[in-house]
Amino acid sequence: SQQGEEDPQALSIQEGENATMNCSYKTSINNLQWYRQNSGRGLVHLILIRSNEREKHSGRLRVTLDTSKKSSSLLITASRAADTASYFCATPSGGYQKVTFGTGTKLQVIP
Amino acid sequence: DTEVTQTPKHLVMGMTNKKSLKCEQHMGHRAMYWYKQKAKKPPELMFVYSYEKLSINESVPSRFSPECPNSSLLNLHLHALQPEDSALYLCASSQDSYQPQHFGDGTRLSIL
Repeated sequence: SQQGEEDPQALSIQEGENATMNCSYKTSINNLQWYRQNSGRGLVHLILIRSNEREKHSGRLRVTLDTSKKSSSLLITASRAADTASYFCATPSGGYQKVTFGTGTKLQVIP
Repeated sequence: DTEVTQTPKHLVMGMTNKKSLKCEQHMGHRAMYWYKQKAKKPPELMFVYSYEKLSINESVPSRFSPECPNSSLLNLHLHALQPEDSALYLCASSQDSYQPQHFGDGTRLSIL
């Protein structure tokens, strides 16, 4: 089964609004990653947060990690039409030789 | 532009054909991956190569045969595929298996 479950499955917002997507996972991890996938393209790594970090920022992205609840959130502030994409969380598995991707959130930003 | 190059971008093949997918990276990464992605689903790992040796095979059918000729190249040989194998095949690489992955844009495969 998938290591991460994300919600919402789909999200539609107006340009300039903030978008929040959540990821829940099942086992202990030492880091969690977020990736973006534009339609018809490969995945792009956005940010990695380690288990001893609670929050991390990168530009308009803010990621939080709550290891006690086994959950993470990705906040995109002041969204742009170019942020329209699917967003996946990814957690280590298989002795940390691989990652398993969550179910994904499809974000649509309306100009 | 992605730093991982996959060819071809699109491939249509019959169930009796033999074809190969190619992946190339020049970032000096020592871990390389093949994923299969169906529409509206996350990528599913197929194979992991670490230092040119196959380290993970996720119980992939033998009609998919990976090959890593050198540290920059990864091939996926296809033979006698089934219609359900139609998908986007993604290649990725990372500095080692614990680092973030860089993805190519994939090969869109259709099996007739």
